[in-house]
Amino acid sequence: GQQLNQSPQSMFIQEGEDVSMNCTSSSIFNTWLWYKQDPGEGPVLLIALYKAGELTSNGRLTAQFGTTRKDSFLNISASIPSDVGIYFCAGPSGTYKYIFGTGTRLKVLA
Amino acid sequence: NAGVTQTPKFQVLKTGQSMTLQCAQDMNHNSMYWYRQDPGMGLRLIYYSASEGTTDKGEVPNGYNVSRLNKREFSLRLESAAPSQTSVYFCASRFNTGPSGNTIYFGEGSWLTVV
Repeated sequence: GQQLNQSPQSMFIQEGEDVSMNCTSSSIFNTWLWYKQDPGEGPVLLIALYKAGELTSNGRLTAQFGTTRKDSFLNISASIPSDVGIYFCAGPSGTYKYIFGTGTRLKVLA
Repeated sequence: NAGVTQTPKFQVLKTGQSMTLQCAQDMNHNSMYWYRQDPGMGLRLIYYSASEGTTDKGEVPNGYNVSRLNKREFSLRLESAAPSQTSVYFCASRFNTGPSGNTIYFGEGSWLTVV
């Protein structure tokens, strides 16, 4: 079945630094979603992407739909302590089924 | 602002015991999901229900059963718990169509330990 692999698996960064992470799929996706999970809570949608090459921002977050349709990227600019958490990519596998990636755990050092 | 509500939040089971995780959403969503989260493995889909009266297997259905009791409720049952089912379980829901159809809303999670 389809798999979503994220890298890096985890990262420590200094406050104020920019962060980049990516997600790759074994097959083509027509929608890419990025979620964030705060400690002790369920994931929350950050950004949705619908076509190849699309670049979408949400505040300090920018996500891109890869041109091959098998990857997507998330960048966070000028990180702050509340950016800590796990970031997941996700996408539809069929009409109703949604699969999630392995996650990137972000830790911000003040 | 209830959204997706899961119970219980924490549970410890002995190997072989059974239990049911309850989930309810008040957003009139069509689809409901059960995921499990394990370190380094992300969120893996156990079962989903695209509408009332239908259920389908996800990536890791073995050892679980589900019931879509009505449009609001979707329960997950462990018939004979095993230590490998120690995990955090998330219920989720979404609309099937429309501009918000890709927004999946999650509950706060249920921490299950099987000893």
